[in-house]
Amino acid sequence: KQEVTQIPAALSVPEGENLVLNCSFTDSAIYNLQWFRQDPGKGLTSLLLIQSSQREQTSGRLNASLDKSSGRSTLYIAASQPGDSATYLCALDQTGANNLFFGTGTRLTVIP
Amino acid sequence: EAQVTQNPRYLITVTGKKLTVTCSQNMNHEYMSWYRQDPGLGLRQIYYSMNVEVTDKGDVPEGYKVSRKEKRNFPLILESPSPNQTSLYFCASSLSGHNEQFFGPGTRLTVL
Repeated sequence: KQEVTQIPAALSVPEGENLVLNCSFTDSAIYNLQWFRQDPGKGLTSLLLIQSSQREQTSGRLNASLDKSSGRSTLYIAASQPGDSATYLCALDQTGANNLFFGTGTRLTVIP
Repeated sequence: EAQVTQNPRYLITVTGKKLTVTCSQNMNHEYMSWYRQDPGLGLRQIYYSMNVEVTDKGDVPEGYKVSRKEKRNFPLILESPSPNQTSLYFCASSLSGHNEQFFGPGTRLTVL
């Protein structure tokens, strides 16, 4: 069974820093990988989706990479802002049926 | 506005009293899913559906039922709720397995 791990569980950084969030998984046979953010008391917002055949995706200050052979994905956030404070979750789809396996998330706090 | 809606948003009920949580999307998406989120366990998929009348079990289907009679609706049914089903529930939809998932705002269920 796929296991998805996100370390650290929590991270605090000063505003303006570049930072990297990590996601590791045990089974490299994946269909795609998605990064989400979740604000307290709210639903999830999709940030980036990387297909199995891709190595990375970029959106604004966010860049996500995928290395299936090592079972890792990273989410890079450039020039962090207080508004980036949220919990970040990675999720893997192994079948293309949206049957997602989620990590437990990294809670990010950006200090003004 | 493109969105996934869930009702109710908050529900307190008692053991054994049947309940339904509704989910509706207005984006003509083929795929829909239900997840539950619990502290320390993260998000786990309950059921998913790839099309009308096509549903399949996720990671934690015990104690739940779903139906997909129309493309836009995917209700979650708890025939006999128990306290271990106290959780935060999310519905999600996507155009296909290649596409990002859109999440509803969540339903916080408490079973006494």
